[in-house]
Amino acid sequence: DTAVSQTPKYLVTQMGNDKSIKCEQNLGHDTMYWYKQDSKKFLKIMFSYNNKELIINETVPNRFSPKSPDKAHLNLHINSLELGDSAVYFCASSPSGGELFFGEGSRLTVL
Amino acid sequence: GENVEQHPSTLSVQEGDSAVIKCTYSDSASNYFPWYKQELGKRPQLIIDIRSNVGEKKDQRIAVTLNKTAKHFSLHITETQPEDSAVYFCAASHGYIPTFGRGTSLIVHP
Repeated sequence: DTAVSQTPKYLVTQMGNDKSIKCEQNLGHDTMYWYKQDSKKFLKIMFSYNNKELIINETVPNRFSPKSPDKAHLNLHINSLELGDSAVYFCASSPSGGELFFGEGSRLTVL
Repeated sequence: GENVEQHPSTLSVQEGDSAVIKCTYSDSASNYFPWYKQELGKRPQLIIDIRSNVGEKKDQRIAVTLNKTAKHFSLHITETQPEDSAVYFCAASHGYIPTFGRGTSLIVHP
């Protein structure tokens, strides 16, 4: 019974395309996140969403946009993909201020 | 915003030795300090955490210490085993957005 699930697990696409990654959590947590992990393993916060309050890391290009249809879902949309967007994207959830529960990750490769 | 520095970036030890990873943080308001372990190809998972009202916490072979005055905290792993090989991340948070250190790749040689 997966707690935080994200799809797809692998995504290979061409530069300039638009893609989405979906995330769902069944833990009843209030807060969801998207993190980007680059080849050097650094975990960079992209977005957090808590009770309809969206906090955006100002370094994230506006080609990236989160969409939350409800408290259990936080999807990530990426427009006009660039080579530098290649990374592993992790969705996570937490009871506010507590442990993060990560999804399995989605490996995006932009060709 | 919060800034977390983590050292060393790579740590190589022999099985049975101890390993210590150190982190410093900048925001004195931070009050929650978790440690995550990420095995190759897997997701990060919490292994231990500590809150600012506690100075030390231990769970079997793993311990975390916190010095709020100096704004640093450390992870101690005793009697290391090959399965401890992974990337370890420290984090600090005030509110609900943790800031992660850059990670330490721990290699335990049999």
